[in-house]
Amino acid sequence: GAVVSQHPSWVICKSGTSVKIECRSLDFQATTMFWYRQFPKQSLMLMATSNEGSKATYEQGVEKDKFLINHASLTLSTLTVTSAHPEDSSFYICSAIRDPNQPQHFGDGTRLSIL
Amino acid sequence: KNEVEQSPQNLTAQEGEFITINCSYSVGISALHWLQQHPGGGIVSLFMLSSGKKKHGRLIATINIQEKHSSLHITASHPRDSAVYICAVNGGSGGSNYKLTFGKGTLLTVNP
Repeated sequence: GAVVSQHPSWVICKSGTSVKIECRSLDFQATTMFWYRQFPKQSLMLMATSNEGSKATYEQGVEKDKFLINHASLTLSTLTVTSAHPEDSSFYICSAIRDPNQPQHFGDGTRLSIL
Repeated sequence: KNEVEQSPQNLTAQEGEFITINCSYSVGISALHWLQQHPGGGIVSLFMLSSGKKKHGRLIATINIQEKHSSLHITASHPRDSAVYICAVNGGSGGSNYKLTFGKGTLLTVNP
């Protein structure tokens, strides 16, 4: 149980394109979802915390107009990288929790390459 | 200084060896997590613990709250254990019990 699906797993697109990444909890209702970014050989960096039906809470230094998060339901959160540029190329990974006292369940990540 | 420090940064072992990865943290926490990240990038939660010791198969995790230290042990290591192991804590300076603060990870390579 506790499966989180992330789609797409890999995206290559041109500079200026907007890219949407989906994160779904398949077999549980996620009270909270998290979006992380990871550069090569570095640790995960939390970008934002997303609760269903409310605005996402962004970490310091993360542009909310650049990284749009929509948490439309208890099983789906989306991250849209708007007008992506090469410096946005990174590995993006989401996680979801059912209960704050339980572990986070991670998606398999999305590798984004902007040409 | 990072709130969560892991050691070693890199570890190479022969198949069958007993492996220990260490994690120290400098803040009050509500729980500590051990995560495994495979080369493809996907992350699996191995353990979440707030005291004592947990065991799952060949993996053992311990935590000493007073010393702010945790260890992850792998017995009878196997090449399929090769991955990055990440220590993370809840309730650090992030101000929320469910936000995680991550260590930089330990790259484990187990040779046949």
